[in-house]
Amino acid sequence: DIVMTQSPDALAVSLGERATINCKSSQSILYSSINRSYLAWYQHKPGQPPKLLINWASIRESGVPDRFSGSGSGTDFTLTISSLQAEDVAVYYCQQYYKTPPYSFGQGTKVDIK
Amino acid sequence: VQLVESGGGLVQPGGSLRLSCAASGFTFSGYWMSWVRQSPGKGLEWVANIKQDGTEEYYVDSVKGRFTISRDNAKNSLFLQMNSLRGEDTAVYFCASQGGVVNTPCDYWGQGTLVTVSS
Repeated sequence: DIVMTQSPDALAVSLGERATINCKSSQSILYSSINRSYLAWYQHKPGQPPKLLINWASIRESGVPDRFSGSGSGTDFTLTISSLQAEDVAVYYCQQYYKTPPYSFGQGTKVDIK
Repeated sequence: VQLVESGGGLVQPGGSLRLSCAASGFTFSGYWMSWVRQSPGKGLEWVANIKQDGTEEYYVDSVKGRFTISRDNAKNSLFLQMNSLRGEDTAVYFCASQGGVVNTPCDYWGQGTLVTVSS
């Protein structure tokens, strides 16, 4: 099974500053024939269901602010919040959905305000 | 899109529980569906998913042989039958929709239902 590892486990960033979260898969999740990586990013706030932010490693879901961006391919991925807002305080998860399940999540990264 | 889970509660170790998820606002029969859980203080864990017509199911290793996912497209409902429950199954269980093929992310989620396994 594919193991997803995020770093750091937690970070605190000043309002308006950049937050960067990394995610590494134990094997490539790139489907080379279509040049797409099967990687999603979710935002999870307490008491709410998770929210899908990005799929295919870099495609923002409709309605997601453009300060959120995803990058990477193969085994190494990054979620960037370009200018942290107060409402972005949450735990962020990456998830691979490559080929057949199980579709593992990373352990999560808690983002807070410095 | 609305997904509403029910059926959670307190159950003793070794017991059983059946979770339900009522779907509305989309063509339920057209999408793969998943269950994802979050244990207290821990991260998200994908549990199981099922194909549109119920002919394919997948499970995380830790629940294989104990949990069964099913669906009733006529009633727009998803189920998770949980048997031989253990303390480590204590979690909030979320119902989530995927896309039209198996390898798609979970795009819509319910609010979750809490399952507590304890004597």
